[in-house]
Amino acid sequence: DTEVTQTPKHLVMGMTNKKSLKCEQHMGHRAMYWYKQKAKKPPELMFVYSYEKLSINESVPSRFSPECPNSSLLNLHLHALQPEDSALYLCASSHKGEKLFFGSGTQLSVL
Amino acid sequence: AQKVTQAQTEISVVEKEDVTLDCVYETRDTTYYLFWYKQPPSGELVFLIRRNSFDEQNEISGRYSWNFQKSTSSFNFTITASQVVDSAVYFCALSEAGMSGEYGNKLVFGAGTILRVKS
Repeated sequence: DTEVTQTPKHLVMGMTNKKSLKCEQHMGHRAMYWYKQKAKKPPELMFVYSYEKLSINESVPSRFSPECPNSSLLNLHLHALQPEDSALYLCASSHKGEKLFFGSGTQLSVL
Repeated sequence: AQKVTQAQTEISVVEKEDVTLDCVYETRDTTYYLFWYKQPPSGELVFLIRRNSFDEQNEISGRYSWNFQKSTSSFNFTITASQVVDSAVYFCALSEAGMSGEYGNKLVFGAGTILRVKS
């Protein structure tokens, strides 16, 4: 199984809502990532988890809260988002510093 | 700081034409990794190749080939006999050795090149 699965595929939320994005992989990878991609732009790194511990936070606002419950799962909790946070959120995993496997993403719209 | 430049914003070709996507990078590290990813309209980033800085051999995989030249800091990607299914956004990316290893891999992406292949 070489897949990274993300749910939901689409999400619409209001600025006062709380929602979560989920990501799952069963490749035994111990590094997992969240990227944000605005339309017609490249992906931008948000967070890296390594062995279930946060290793990189790219100065992301606290309204985005990552969580890694176990080695296969990665969540991104969303609260009080702004319309400019609307984007495609991509999850990825890798074996150490090798190639990243990406999921199909969650298209998020904040109203 | 690391930087990746893909100067071609958009390229349009007719099917069966060859097309080259340019990638120029900047880094102060002597050890680094270069990547190409394809992003079709479905959104998923598909891995194409990873090359380390000590391996300057060109690589060919089917209709795809890559030309790595450290002297010009370039890692160009050529598609031979393009097909409509090649239409996608292609990203070149760089990871420095200090940000690649046990604790994961910090990829920095170029702006991407939109490739449109018309039948």
